[in-house]
Amino acid sequence: NAGVTQTPKFRVLKTGQSMTLLCAQDMNHEYMYWYRQDPGMGLRLIHYSVGEGTTAKGEVPDGYNVSRLKKQNFLLGLESAAPSQTSVYFCASSNSASVYEQYFGPGTRLTVT
Amino acid sequence: GQSLEQPSEVTAVEGAIVQINCTYQTSGFYGLSWYQQHDGGAPTFLSYNALDGLEETGRFSSFLSRSDSYGYLLLQELQMKDSASYFCARRRLTGGGNKLTFGTGTQLKVEL
Repeated sequence: NAGVTQTPKFRVLKTGQSMTLLCAQDMNHEYMYWYRQDPGMGLRLIHYSVGEGTTAKGEVPDGYNVSRLKKQNFLLGLESAAPSQTSVYFCASSNSASVYEQYFGPGTRLTVT
Repeated sequence: GQSLEQPSEVTAVEGAIVQINCTYQTSGFYGLSWYQQHDGGAPTFLSYNALDGLEETGRFSSFLSRSDSYGYLLLQELQMKDSASYFCARRRLTGGGNKLTFGTGTQLKVEL
């Protein structure tokens, strides 16, 4: 039981490049989330999904897109990276009945130069 | 509003008791969670309060007072390994489903 996994762990992009962050969970959770964490700002919700085939915007969705084609996977895309997107990205998942208890992946540290 | 207020830093000595406070905006409030995050690590769930009162889990307890829009995390018998950041997170019920909004975190330093 791996829980929540994320790939890659680290990535450096040049401004304007694109990439996709992958998140997978093996707990059969309905809900999945993408957060970014910047120093002194806590965790901010980018996008989330309440089930396969559904996505919704969080607090800071601009510049990101997501897809949830399979229940266990949640992908975060950056179409044209900007230095402001330098951050640590965390994926999380939860049961629909216990949103208060989210399980987090190890994070992806992204630097955009 | 959706903001939560926590102290940015707290320092305590090993073996002591420390309380980390959290105040929140009441609009759409549904409950308060607490998470721990060690440097370079992922946040991990500690506790949740939906109703007023104290929830105890080993050395950690969490308290909620909905009338005061206030909660706290209490850590007893502090150990060096408790040095970490602690986040309160407000559960909101919105049209798009349940979500959490996190505070900016409190960095706890445990000293000898």
